[in-house]
Amino acid sequence: GDSVTQMEGPVTLSEEAFLTINCTYTATGYPSLFWYVQYPGEGLQLLLKATKADDKGSNKGFEATYRKETTSFHLEKGSVQVSDSAVYFCALRRDGNKLVFGAGTILRVKS
Amino acid sequence: EAGVVQSPRYKIIEKKQPVAFWCNPISGHNTLYWYRQNLGQGPELLIRYENEEAVDDSQLPKDRFSAERLKGVDSTLKIQPAELGDSAVYLCASSPQGAGNTEAFFGQGTRLTVV
Repeated sequence: GDSVTQMEGPVTLSEEAFLTINCTYTATGYPSLFWYVQYPGEGLQLLLKATKADDKGSNKGFEATYRKETTSFHLEKGSVQVSDSAVYFCALRRDGNKLVFGAGTILRVKS
Repeated sequence: EAGVVQSPRYKIIEKKQPVAFWCNPISGHNTLYWYRQNLGQGPELLIRYENEEAVDDSQLPKDRFSAERLKGVDSTLKIQPAELGDSAVYLCASSPQGAGNTEAFFGQGTRLTVV
């Protein structure tokens, strides 16, 4: 079945450091890929998405590129802020069906 | 535009007691999901509705869990009787019908603690 694997956390960075959170997936067909973010005490929010191979999703300085050849959708940000501290979830959706999530990666940014 | 609304936000119950959660999806969204998120894990689907019809309930523990979506709008998820292992955050989400692979919009969740 479909699955998503994320790098384990927590990831602890200093402010202005470069961020990469790895995400790989297993799915048949051509899923859409998503990054959701969950800030402390809040619900899941869509951060960015990509619907086909080589698409790049971007939002709030975060980027991720849909790489079909490596079945990956790694999240990157050039300069993180304390306010980026949250849990980040990679997810896929195929054929209008359910979202399948990774286990989540905790990001802690220190000032 | 209002987002997905869930209530209550928090619930503490003793084991073997019943509990119910309520969800109001975004207006016009025909697809509704209930997910369960255990501590330190990603959300896992319990049930998906297209309008009033449950089209995927394969992960719903039907011996104790039930759900309904009357009139294809609001939905309730019930657990009876609750067990200690049911402690989790229960998330409701919605998306437009026929939206293919677009995103789902999530509510803030109900955090259930069974003691």
